[in-house]
Amino acid sequence: DIQMAQSPSSLSASVGDRVTITCQASQDIRNYLNWYQQKPGKAPKSLIYDVSNLETGVPSRFSGSGSGTDFTLTITSLQPEDIGTYYCQQYHNLLTFGGGTKVEIK
Amino acid sequence: EVQLLESGGGLVQPGGSLRLSCTGSGFTFSSHAMSWVRQPPGKGLDWVSFNGGGGGGTHYADSVKGRFTISRDNSKNTLFLQMNSLRVEDTAVYYCARDRHPDSWTGFDYWGQGTLVIVSS
Repeated sequence: DIQMAQSPSSLSASVGDRVTITCQASQDIRNYLNWYQQKPGKAPKSLIYDVSNLETGVPSRFSGSGSGTDFTLTITSLQPEDIGTYYCQQYHNLLTFGGGTKVEIK
Repeated sequence: EVQLLESGGGLVQPGGSLRLSCTGSGFTFSSHAMSWVRQPPGKGLDWVSFNGGGGGGTHYADSVKGRFTISRDNSKNTLFLQMNSLRVEDTAVYYCARDRHPDSWTGFDYWGQGTLVIVSS
């Protein structure tokens, strides 16, 4: 089974800050990596697919990068509406989620 | 507008059974693989089971293999999850999620709102 290690598990940043979340796969997953955003009390929502492709309607302050085993989600200028928990997910071998990163405003 | 609506959750005793349903609308249901994903209270997301749209097969997480069965009725745009031999650790919100691909797993572009399953005596 492929394990996905996300870090940090939580972070607190100020509005306008650059925020980076990392996700490491236990083996090479090529570019089979997605990111989801879950706001408090809501269902998850697709944010980025195939490492770096933004879903329609997702603000351009979100971006994804990486390949192989190491991946990054970046928010270039954190906004109040970005609070929530972010999950990476691999689909190289079935589907596995990372443990999540809770993002709060300082 | 794509919509997924789950139903069938509730309180069940350990060892009991429950059948979840997920009805899709606003898209061609048979053209998309579907999955169930669960989230225990206060915890992260766990993929549970996959069903290919047109013969892509079924797959299960090890934690539910042999106890849960995924199926679909494309004529009714509905995905099912039959859950037997339920355990306390199956307590979670269960989401159905639409895959981008018809027959393989590539990740989810739409999610339902979830249905809560509580396994407790």
